[in-house]
Amino acid sequence: AQKITQTQPGMFVQEKEAVTLDCTYDTSDPSYGLFWYKQPSSGEMIFLIYQGSYDQQNATEGRYSLNFQKARKSANLVISASQLGDSAMYFCAMRPPFGNEKLTFGTGTRLTIIP
Amino acid sequence: DGGITQSPKYLFRKEGQNVTLSCEQNLNHDAMYWYRQDPGQGLRLIYYSQIVNDFQKGDIAEGYSVSREKKESFPLTVTSAQKNPTAFYLCASSSGQGTGELFFGEGSRLTVL
Repeated sequence: AQKITQTQPGMFVQEKEAVTLDCTYDTSDPSYGLFWYKQPSSGEMIFLIYQGSYDQQNATEGRYSLNFQKARKSANLVISASQLGDSAMYFCAMRPPFGNEKLTFGTGTRLTIIP
Repeated sequence: DGGITQSPKYLFRKEGQNVTLSCEQNLNHDAMYWYRQDPGQGLRLIYYSQIVNDFQKGDIAEGYSVSREKKESFPLTVTSAQKNPTAFYLCASSSGQGTGELFFGEGSRLTVL
């Protein structure tokens, strides 16, 4: 069974600072995918970034980067130069091997950016 | 614009009533999913369907039912057997290709009075 753990229920960060959101995972599958989604107060889930278990380099998408440490089973999200619009819930999720896109989600981290 | 449409956005129902949440996608995706979100518990999978006329139970299927008669549509019925139906419900779809990313609708918030 797959499991995602997000240990930070809430975080407060000053605007323009970088922030790291923690995510650890547990799986016995050698092949898997890791995702981060953002959920603003409107409720929709917005895809941010993806990391495959065999990817050699850490994924980056604009201000978002994923600090993937396979041996430690961690996939932390780093947001550089935070903005007020980054205030939202953030969820880490895991996909099993291809052919089954059932994502398992963590409990989320509520990020609040302080002006 | 391609996407997933969920309706209604807000729904109130009395105890003992069944209610159906609509989910329509025009992304031509084969797979569709229903998740339930409660405060502090993240998203939990209710049902999923990888092809028309076929669907599978997720982790919390009790008290729910679905159908998949068309590729574009995957309605969810919350039955009176669901003991705690008040929640935020999210529908998603995926192409089964690339990263396996899920595309989500804007959600439906159900409140049982």
